Amino acid sequence: AQSVAQPEDQVNVAEGNPLTVKCTYSVSGNPYLFWYVQYPNRGLQFLLKYITGDNLVKGSYGFEAEFNKSQTSFHLKKPSALVSDSALYFCAVRDSTNAGKSTFGDGTTLTVKP
Amino acid sequence: GAGVSQSPSNKVTEKGKDVELRCDPISGHTALYWYRQSLGQGLEFLIYFQGNSAPDKSGLPSDRFSAERTGGSVSTLTIQRTQQEDSAVYLCASSSGLAFSTDTQYFGPGTRLTVL
Repeated sequence: AQSVAQPEDQVNVAEGNPLTVKCTYSVSGNPYLFWYVQYPNRGLQFLLKYITGDNLVKGSYGFEAEFNKSQTSFHLKKPSALVSDSALYFCAVRDSTNAGKSTFGDGTTLTVKP
Repeated sequence: GAGVSQSPSNKVTEKGKDVELRCDPISGHTALYWYRQSLGQGLEFLIYFQGNSAPDKSGLPSDRFSAERTGGSVSTLTIQRTQQEDSAVYLCASSSGLAFSTDTQYFGPGTRLTVL
């Protein structure tokens, strides 16, 4: 079985400060990890993914995420938050043994205040 | 080209009625996925297609839910005898299918279903 946990329902940061949105996972095989962002009344937009290789993955809009195998984590980060980053963020995992099925976390609402 | 499109964008129906939700994937994408997003919750996997076949239907909540895909393109999710607990946003995604485990899924805007 595969699972994802986003331990924080809400993250608040001030504009210009660094942000972190946390994600931990559990899979049987090798993990494939994804981050998506959802703006109000919109579908999900892909930010970045980890498949293999370098543990630090860079994605869209200045976001990056670090894969940590020992801690089974894949936290999303950005060095300097923008008000426009305010949205709902989802972490997702696929297991190499169950190719088509993605499991999503419950989402974390990021609010960046001016 | 165009992204994933879904129709209708909003659907209000009465309890007990049948509804059909449509998904048009990105041209050339062989993999297609359906998810359900209930208010305040994450995404719940429903079903995926490789071409026209659905290898994993385990996520369908009940036998009232069915999905088909014809011609390797458009997919329809049908909910029979709708119940109030079916109210949710139904999201469709597609991916190239070239590397099924690692493909990026591209999502449509969703269909908001309200069952009165």
